[in-house]
Amino acid sequence: DIVLTQSPGTLSLSPGERATLSCRASESVSLDYLAWYQQSPGQAPRLLIYRTDRRATGIPDRFSGSGSVSGTDFTLTISRLEPEDFAVYYCQQLVSSPYTFGQGTKLEIK
Amino acid sequence: QMQLVESGGGVVQPGGSLRLSCAASGFTFSEYSLHWVRQAPGKGLEWMTIVSFDGDTEDYAGSVKGRFTISRDNSKNTLYLQMNRLRVEDTGVYYCARDVSLTSSLTGRVRTYYFYGMDVWGQGTTVTVS
Repeated sequence: DIVLTQSPGTLSLSPGERATLSCRASESVSLDYLAWYQQSPGQAPRLLIYRTDRRATGIPDRFSGSGSVSGTDFTLTISRLEPEDFAVYYCQQLVSSPYTFGQGTKLEIK
Repeated sequence: QMQLVESGGGVVQPGGSLRLSCAASGFTFSEYSLHWVRQAPGKGLEWMTIVSFDGDTEDYAGSVKGRFTISRDNSKNTLYLQMNRLRVEDTGVYYCARDVSLTSSLTGRVRTYYFYGMDVWGQGTTVTVS
């Protein structure tokens, strides 16, 4: 199984700051098969980014995704944090079953 | 408005069975592949299974393979998850979700499906095995 390791486990920032979240794959997942989700407490996850850098419908442009050519290192960037952005973020690979998730990064208010 | 609504969760004893349903509305159900994802209390997301838009392909995580069966009825716009031989560690919130991809390819008689992420989610249904 492909293991996705997210870092940091917890990120403490203030509204208006820039957030950088990392997701590293144990093997290449290709740039076509990496997605990012946001989950607020008590809510279902929400798709933010798919195919590494494509924003899902309705996602503001302060969210962006990128990946390395090797297909093992991925980044979710939130350019200017809004209060509603403080949540847990997961990456997921869909290149190889089982379609594993990372363990999550909790973005908390500093 | 695109919507998925799960039902069928509840409390069941270890070794028991449960059938979850996921009713879809607001989009052309038969065009999309569908997933089940679960979340144990206080834990992260765990992908469990997928069925292709045409129902021809299914896939499972190792933790549920042989015990859970995914199926769909495109005439009823409904996705199902039959869960047998339930274990305490199956406890959690179960979500159905639609894959954002509309992409597949056909080479000869072999169809390849492409999955890119889950863009529509249900609110979840809770399963407790105790």
